[in-house]
Amino acid sequence: GQNIDQPTEMTATEGAIVQINCTYQTSGFNGLFWYQQHAGEAPTFLSYNVLDGLEEKGRFSSFLSRSKGYSYLLLKELQMKDSASYLCAVMDSNYQLIWGAGTKLIIKP
Amino acid sequence: DVKVTQSSRYLVKRTGEKVFLECVQDMDHENMFWYRQDPGLGLRLIYFSYDVKMKEKGDIPEGYSVSREKKERFSLILESASTNQTSMYLCASSLLRYTGELFFGEGSRLTVL
Repeated sequence: GQNIDQPTEMTATEGAIVQINCTYQTSGFNGLFWYQQHAGEAPTFLSYNVLDGLEEKGRFSSFLSRSKGYSYLLLKELQMKDSASYLCAVMDSNYQLIWGAGTKLIIKP
Repeated sequence: DVKVTQSSRYLVKRTGEKVFLECVQDMDHENMFWYRQDPGLGLRLIYFSYDVKMKEKGDIPEGYSVSREKKERFSLILESASTNQTSMYLCASSLLRYTGELFFGEGSRLTVL
């Protein structure tokens, strides 16, 4: 079966750095996506990785290792507004998105 | 900015009622999707459509149907609501067919009593 694993919940301090991991087992691979979802709001697209390595976008970076079936989302200089759920999704060989259950990130002052 | 609008944020229905969830997008996207989101589970695809009057079953289509009469509108229909369909329903659209970059609506939280 196809599977995406990410931690259920993480806590971090304002101003710090946090890394949210995502491991996957899918039938083929056509890209990995990260979304942010604030409580009661729509998920919004954050990043896309299809090749190994790090993609940086401001305070957020996303890393991919296809051989290890592993990705992480790195958030720097955490702000209170970063409190949200972060969803990892992988596009399989049929171009279907497989979603993780999401990681709820709690930021403390 | 792309805007995906779902007609109802909160609905309460009774078992056996017919339920319509409407979704409209304003960016001329060909592709539209309906997902449900439940605690502890990843998003699950119910139906999707790559063109007007076209529909494809997703992973969990049982108990649902869809309608796409116009490009901008994609409706999800629960013919006879059941309590296990209590959930958050998310509509999404995309510019490209084979992309994971989706634009989501804010969701419709349905409670079936």
